[in-house]
Amino acid sequence: QVQLVQSGPEVKKPGASVKVSCKAPRYIFSDYYMHWVRQAPGQGLEWMGVIDPSGGRATYSQKFQGRVTMTTDTSTGTLYMDLSRLSSEDTAFYYCASRKVGDKYFDLWGRGTLVTVSS
Amino acid sequence: QSALTQPASVSGSPGQSITISCTGTSSDVGGYNYVSWYQRHPDKAPKLMIYDVTNRPSGISNRFSGSKSGNTASLTISGLQAEDEADYFCSSYTSSHALGVVFGGGTKLTVL
Repeated sequence: QVQLVQSGPEVKKPGASVKVSCKAPRYIFSDYYMHWVRQAPGQGLEWMGVIDPSGGRATYSQKFQGRVTMTTDTSTGTLYMDLSRLSSEDTAFYYCASRKVGDKYFDLWGRGTLVTVSS
Repeated sequence: QSALTQPASVSGSPGQSITISCTGTSSDVGGYNYVSWYQRHPDKAPKLMIYDVTNRPSGISNRFSGSKSGNTASLTISGLQAEDEADYFCSSYTSSHALGVVFGGGTKLTVL
């Protein structure tokens, strides 16, 4: 079954950083983009940014610019989302979701990674 | 506050039909035929149910249908089944960011 496999839950202190991984099938590294989306408790989904898995070029939402870094490791088929200077407002489920070049919808999602920021 | 507005919850009895709305603006829902709908069961990955307003991916039941009027898109589920109980959220392409996307807040569907 084709799926995106995300890393497990994380608990971090304010000010720390978190790195969430997303292992993807090989075909994602050709003609697809990988997006990162989050959902805080009681809130709607929020787009964070997108990365070209093969080339590594990323574009970030203005809200997270300077705090988020998205990277890709083609050798292991894994994508990463690094978020720094965490605060309690970053407590959320973080999802990776793939979208084929030219399409405007996400055809595959990860199950989400819960990141809890608490002192 | 989400960019697209959805009702927080809807409910229906088995066999009935329900409709979930998703309201945006002319910069997203109203301006493009790029609305998609996703189903999310607890502890499972979201699943694409409808794309480009009306299209169903392979394997999705024809009980699920999508439509749009003006700045509001809708997801209709007919012949409700217990397994349809889940969260549903909409998404739309937005012209405000070249590669970006906006989402609805999600709607909890309860099958009574």
